[in-house]
Amino acid sequence: GIQVEQSPPDLILQEGANSTLRCNFSDSVNNLQWFHQNPWGQLINLFYIPSGTKQNGRLSATTVATERYSLLYISSSQTTDSGVYFCAVEDNYGQNFVFGPGTRLSVLP
Amino acid sequence: DGGITQSPKYLFRKEGQNVTLSCEQNLNHDAMYWYRQDPGQGLRLIYYSQIVNDFQKGDIAEGYSVSREKKESFPLTVTSAQKNPTAFYLCASALAGAYHEQYFGPGTRLTVT
Repeated sequence: GIQVEQSPPDLILQEGANSTLRCNFSDSVNNLQWFHQNPWGQLINLFYIPSGTKQNGRLSATTVATERYSLLYISSSQTTDSGVYFCAVEDNYGQNFVFGPGTRLSVLP
Repeated sequence: DGGITQSPKYLFRKEGQNVTLSCEQNLNHDAMYWYRQDPGQGLRLIYYSQIVNDFQKGDIAEGYSVSREKKESFPLTVTSAQKNPTAFYLCASALAGAYHEQYFGPGTRLTVT
């Protein structure tokens, strides 16, 4: 089945710094989502981005479907950005979602 | 106010007891999913349902059961056969399968002692 990798596994930043998180997937996809899991465990939808570029405030994402990767950019990071960032794609049958292992981000004040 | 609700937020049970976790959505979504998350780990799929009265096993279905009698409800029962039930359980839904955006409930933390 489709494999999803995320890098880096852990990232520590000083408040105000920028960062780039990467998601690689092993097959072509029609659905790619980025989520932020906050310290209380809630998964927040960041982007639904099977291709192209989107921006939402300090966050933006780009998916290059032909090269099978997606990038999540966080600019001017804040302590509230801390948590785990997951990317997810659909499985080969279009029924389930396959999640990457996540990137754990810690933003220090 | 559309969304997915899970109750309760925290649940404590004694070993050997079955426990049912609630998941309700008012998004009119056909597909619903249950995931398990252990501390510091990713999400693992337990069960999913694409339509009412139908559901399929995910990667770690052993020791769990579900029902889908109504479109808006997808309860998960953690049975006494589940060897290590203490975990964080997340319910999600999508309009019609994995080609659509998935949304998550707030989760239930289950502790079994």
